Amino acid sequence: EVQLVESGGGLVQPGGSLRLSCAASGFTFSNYRMNWVRQAPGKGLEWVSFITSSSNTIYYVDSVKGRFTISRDNANNLLYLQMTSLRDEDTAVYYCARDDGSGYRRLDYWGQGTLVTVSS
Amino acid sequence: EIVMTQSPATLSVSLGERATLSCRASQSVSSNLAWYQQKPGQTPRLLIYGASTRATGIPARFSGSGSGTEFTLTISSLQSEDFAVYYCQQYNNWPPITFGQGTRLEIK
Repeated sequence: EVQLVESGGGLVQPGGSLRLSCAASGFTFSNYRMNWVRQAPGKGLEWVSFITSSSNTIYYVDSVKGRFTISRDNANNLLYLQMTSLRDEDTAVYYCARDDGSGYRRLDYWGQGTLVTVSS
Repeated sequence: EIVMTQSPATLSVSLGERATLSCRASQSVSSNLAWYQQKPGQTPRLLIYGASTRATGIPARFSGSGSGTEFTLTISSLQSEDFAVYYCQQYNNWPPITFGQGTRLEIK
């Protein structure tokens, strides 16, 4: 069974940093492209970042470029999102989500999410 | 960036009736369109990809249609478990992949 379990969320002050983790199991993690998607309270879904299986291609939404860094550890089946210079508008549930392996950008499995609250 | 617009924002439908949800892209996305369902407190679930192909395990009462800029998700006979928020997502031109703002499907 495919499982994605996020951790690392919490309350942080504006300007602070957090590192989110996503532990993958039930599939060959090193074969799949991965994403972070966020959802602000009561709002819709916003894609945040993408990383290929070998980490050789990485993308970010414009609003987090220069502040967030996606990475992965294929040996330990872990995906990360390092978040710095956090802003109020980064408050959201952050989901890790798997590309479905087709080569297209369809997200077939999602974790339960971890809540990041940026507030003073 | 391709903007996805869903309508209506909220749709009220009775159990057993048909629901039709719309999604429009600001430019053509071919058939590179997916639909997701999100129930309260739950994670999004992939329903449809390629505009019309049901994902694994999705009941046949869910169907998708359209191409280019206009897309429709139809639920043929609503069950109680279908009341949720539905999002469309384009993956034709990326980054970024983009989602619509969602349609909330509620019981009438």
